[in-house]
Amino acid sequence: EPEVTQTPSHQVTQMGQEVILRCVPISNHLYFYWYRQILGQKVEFLVSFYNNEISEKSEIFDDQFSVERPDGSNFTLKIRSTKLEDSAMYFCASRGDHEEYGYTFGSGTRLTVV
Amino acid sequence: AQSVTQLDSHVSVSEGTPVLLRCNYSSSYSPSLFWYVQHPNKGLQLLLKYTSAATLVKGINGFEAEFKKSETSFHLTKPSAHMSDAAEYFCVVSEGGGFKTIFGAGTRLFVKA
Repeated sequence: EPEVTQTPSHQVTQMGQEVILRCVPISNHLYFYWYRQILGQKVEFLVSFYNNEISEKSEIFDDQFSVERPDGSNFTLKIRSTKLEDSAMYFCASRGDHEEYGYTFGSGTRLTVV
Repeated sequence: AQSVTQLDSHVSVSEGTPVLLRCNYSSSYSPSLFWYVQHPNKGLQLLLKYTSAATLVKGINGFEAEFKKSETSFHLTKPSAHMSDAAEYFCVVSEGGGFKTIFGAGTRLFVKA
């Protein structure tokens, strides 16, 4: 069964450093998403991406965040200057043209900012 | 505006007894609704989805959910709990073509032997 792949599974970074989280969505999917889940809290929507541009973003997704689909297969989330409160599990998801098939999530990247 | 309320943060059942996880939503449009399950240290797995077809939706592992527009509910049920069902369950609402999805706070299901 097709999967969404996220790398790395765990990343530790120093506060103030830039970090890039990588995702390989399912190959024929058109819609891409990032979510985060702070430990013990709910899953929060960050951003959706379609047709090479951001479709929607939440208030969490401020100027420190950016997304990119650099090469037609990868979908990345960049955090420019990490803060302690960015520590969370970050999930990538993708879906095809029809929402009724649901969203496929990756296994997540656990980001720890120290 | 969308919102999702999962009415129970924790549910505990005995193995072999029914499971009910409650979800209420609000949406300005005709929403799509999903249930996802998250096992410890794992990603999110789709259990089932409602997207304006049949109101009773069957999913994987014996789970099903009924969309009730009049009650704005989408409760998840299973006739007989199994130990492997112990996990966190998330109700998710999506609208506007699926560009934005909102997760409920989650319900942790405990299954006792």
